[in-house]
Amino acid sequence: DADVTQTPRNRITKTGKRIMLECSQTKGHDRMYWYRQDPGLGLRLIYYSFDVKDINKGEISDGYSVSRQAQAKFSLSLESAIPNQTALYFCATSYAGGTREQFFGPGTRLTVL
Amino acid sequence: DAKTTQPPSMDCAEGRAANLPCNHSTISGNEYVYWYRQIHSQGPQYIIHGLKNNETNEMASLIITEDRKSSTLILPHATLRDTAVYYCMVANAGGTSYGKLTFGQGTILTVHP
Repeated sequence: DADVTQTPRNRITKTGKRIMLECSQTKGHDRMYWYRQDPGLGLRLIYYSFDVKDINKGEISDGYSVSRQAQAKFSLSLESAIPNQTALYFCATSYAGGTREQFFGPGTRLTVL
Repeated sequence: DAKTTQPPSMDCAEGRAANLPCNHSTISGNEYVYWYRQIHSQGPQYIIHGLKNNETNEMASLIITEDRKSSTLILPHATLRDTAVYYCMVANAGGTSYGKLTFGQGTILTVHP
């Protein structure tokens, strides 16, 4: 089984709809991250959480919210989806210490019509 | 955070060494150099990181110049499966930015038969 899982893997939705992307991990890591990737571009950080009670905005948090329900779960919500939120979304985890290596999930491809 | 500069694309023949350069001229003393790669649209994969000494693991070698203003990732015997986008990043070792990675556009490495 994968250490970092994301659901759904693909989603098509309409403008104005609320949508939630979920991330779960079995690595026991404290830190979790949400990134988005647009075609031909690198990843941009949306939100990150260093533990259950610590959530921080990344560089492009407008239009998004997150919830850290447990150490192993970190959800990303689009309250009212818009077409320019069409992108590939990645969740990642890392240890609080150590090498700071981040482990990425397989991604969720979101299309907003 | 310091920024990095990478060539947009490189080619390499299968079986030969691939040498991917990265400039990080504004790197500060406590920032590490990280390399990740992304194959097609999969989640990025950690390769290697270093502070000032050269590093080697089962995937690659990292050569950091003495002044730490540039580095080179070496894939000693490139295979077709190494075709990917390679990201060079620097990350602060402490504080609230700990663990945050800033992805640029990376270098597209194409390994030819």
